[in-house]
Amino acid sequence: DIRMTQSPSTLSASVGDTVTITCRASQSVVSWLAWYQQKPGKAPKLLIYKASNLETGVPSRFSGSGSGTEFTLTITGLQPDDFATYYCQHYITYPYTFGQGTKLEIK
Amino acid sequence: EVQLVESGGGLVQPGRSLRLSCAASGFIFDDYAMHWVRQRPGKGLEWVSAISWNSDSLGYADSVRGRFTISRDNAKNSLYLQMNSLREEDTALYYCAKDISGDGGCDFWGQGTLVTVSS
Repeated sequence: DIRMTQSPSTLSASVGDTVTITCRASQSVVSWLAWYQQKPGKAPKLLIYKASNLETGVPSRFSGSGSGTEFTLTITGLQPDDFATYYCQHYITYPYTFGQGTKLEIK
Repeated sequence: EVQLVESGGGLVQPGRSLRLSCAASGFIFDDYAMHWVRQRPGKGLEWVSAISWNSDSLGYADSVRGRFTISRDNAKNSLYLQMNSLREEDTALYYCAKDISGDGGCDFWGQGTLVTVSS
């Protein structure tokens, strides 16, 4: 099975900051990677699919990059609504494992 | 408007069975693969299972393979998860999610149904 490792596990930042979350796969997933945002008590929300494609309706301050085994999610100009937990997930072969999550907190 | 509504959760004793359902509307159900994802209390997301549009391709997490069975009824726009030999570690909120179709990712999610396995 492919293991997905996110870093950091927790990230403290301020409104207006630019932050980057990294997701590493234990083997290549090519570009079959998605990023999700989840807020407490809510279902996850798809932000990025196929590593770098912005889901419809997602603000352009979110961007994804990478291929193979290393991927990043960047949020440029944090807004108060962005403080949440973020997950990556690969889609290359079953099982489609998630990373352990990165909690983005207000500094 | 896409809607996914899960049902069937509840309190069940270890070793027993439960069947979750997900009623889909607002899209052409038999055009899309579907997924089950769970989240244990206070923990991260765990992908559980997926099924292709025509049920030809099924996938399972190692933790549930051999105990859980995913299925769908395209005529009823419904997704199912038969959960047998339940364990306390299966206690979680179970989400039904729609595949984005070929590009990787789930673009719509239900609100989840809670399964509690306890004696």
